[in-house]
Amino acid sequence: EAGVAQSPRYKIIEKRQSVAFWCNPISGHATLYWYQQILGQGPKLLIQFQNNGVVDDSQLPKDRFSAERLKGVDSTLKIQPAKLEDSAVYLCASSSYCFYNEQFFGPGTRLTVL
Amino acid sequence: GIQVEQSPPDLILQEGANSTLRCNFSDSVNNLQWFHQNPWGQLINLFYIPSGTKQNGRLSATTVATERYSLLYISSSQTTDSGVYFCISGGSNYKLTFGKGTLLTVNP
Repeated sequence: EAGVAQSPRYKIIEKRQSVAFWCNPISGHATLYWYQQILGQGPKLLIQFQNNGVVDDSQLPKDRFSAERLKGVDSTLKIQPAKLEDSAVYLCASSSYCFYNEQFFGPGTRLTVL
Repeated sequence: GIQVEQSPPDLILQEGANSTLRCNFSDSVNNLQWFHQNPWGQLINLFYIPSGTKQNGRLSATTVATERYSLLYISSSQTTDSGVYFCISGGSNYKLTFGKGTLLTVNP
């Protein structure tokens, strides 16, 4: 069974530029999560989707971050415009049905904002 | 949401030693997982254990839901066990929370 796929693996941009990350969850997984992990800290949940609907986006900075999962499968997370403090690893995870099923993580995208 | 506290924050061992990592949570949980984040940043599933005891090789975990804690045991530690160990838990409000992690260093 293929795992959670993410791309790109690394991205370097200038502040005020925009960037997008892509995630493809494990086949059949209805729930998809985006996390932000700043160096030295634990991952912080940004947004949780159940199929193509948003379950929780309370910690998503909506003035600059957006995410979509249009067909209930893969998802895109966008930052526009980026700030220096957005430098982090962005992790995507999926679980089979809902939050109390086991989560599986992708390899992450490491973003550096200069 | 649920508060998750992990201890100790840092742990240094010699290869071959045993260790116990602890995760305390503030309320009833429906989801409790342990992960190992390796030096390359990949989060590797260790256990999905909202209750009970599981074992996988040198690792085992126990969650006592009524007393709101979970323990991760590592026996005969190896240098490849180094990294950060996270527990993640979630309760009836459907939100999942990561602990701050335990940084484990196993020296040869």
